[in-house]
Amino acid sequence: KNQVEQSPQSLIILEGKNCTLQCNYTVSPFSNLRWYKQDTGRGPVSLTIMTFSENTKSNGRYTATLDADTKQSSLHITASQLSDSASYICVVSRTGGGNKLTFGTGTQLKVEL
Amino acid sequence: KAGVTQTPRYLIKTRGQQVTLSCSPISGHRSVSWYQQTPGQGLQFLFEYFSETQRNKGNFPGRFSGRQFSNSRSEMNVSTLELGDSALYLCASSDLSGGGSHTGELFFGEGSRLTVL
Repeated sequence: KNQVEQSPQSLIILEGKNCTLQCNYTVSPFSNLRWYKQDTGRGPVSLTIMTFSENTKSNGRYTATLDADTKQSSLHITASQLSDSASYICVVSRTGGGNKLTFGTGTQLKVEL
Repeated sequence: KAGVTQTPRYLIKTRGQQVTLSCSPISGHRSVSWYQQTPGQGLQFLFEYFSETQRNKGNFPGRFSGRQFSNSRSEMNVSTLELGDSALYLCASSDLSGGGSHTGELFFGEGSRLTVL
């Protein structure tokens, strides 16, 4: 069964600190992995998309890594800001027919002063 | 370039009623997909349309239906509403065939928050 699991479910950090969010997946055959940021009451916004051959991709203070062998990804946030408070969703795409996207349930991040 | 527009943003209905939600994709995008988001469940795929044809459908009952018009705008309808249908309904557009879910970018709207009383 195609699944995406994210950890931790929620996280509270102080402003200026770094944090790392995890995503493990069993989706196959793998096409790409995406990280989205979703502010409360808003639609998700794409942060990164990584294909099989990409190990690391950055978007400002966000850096995503992918290990396709172990089927794990992480999202590292550097020097967190209050505006980073949001839900971070890992989405894995597969090739083949039918619905191709499997969504994780997200990590709820809160950045405090 | 305008983003994905969803209307209405908020609505309240009672059990047994029906509701229609609208989604206008980014200009030039021909693929629209719909998702239901509830706390703890994450985003659940409803269906996907490309050039007025439904390409994929998720595991939702027949009360959930949709369509896409020639201008790529899409609507979804939920009939005989149940309390459990309360959720944020998100629409996403893509410029690639098959919803872009294979390699392309998905652009989400702000969602329609449905409350069923």
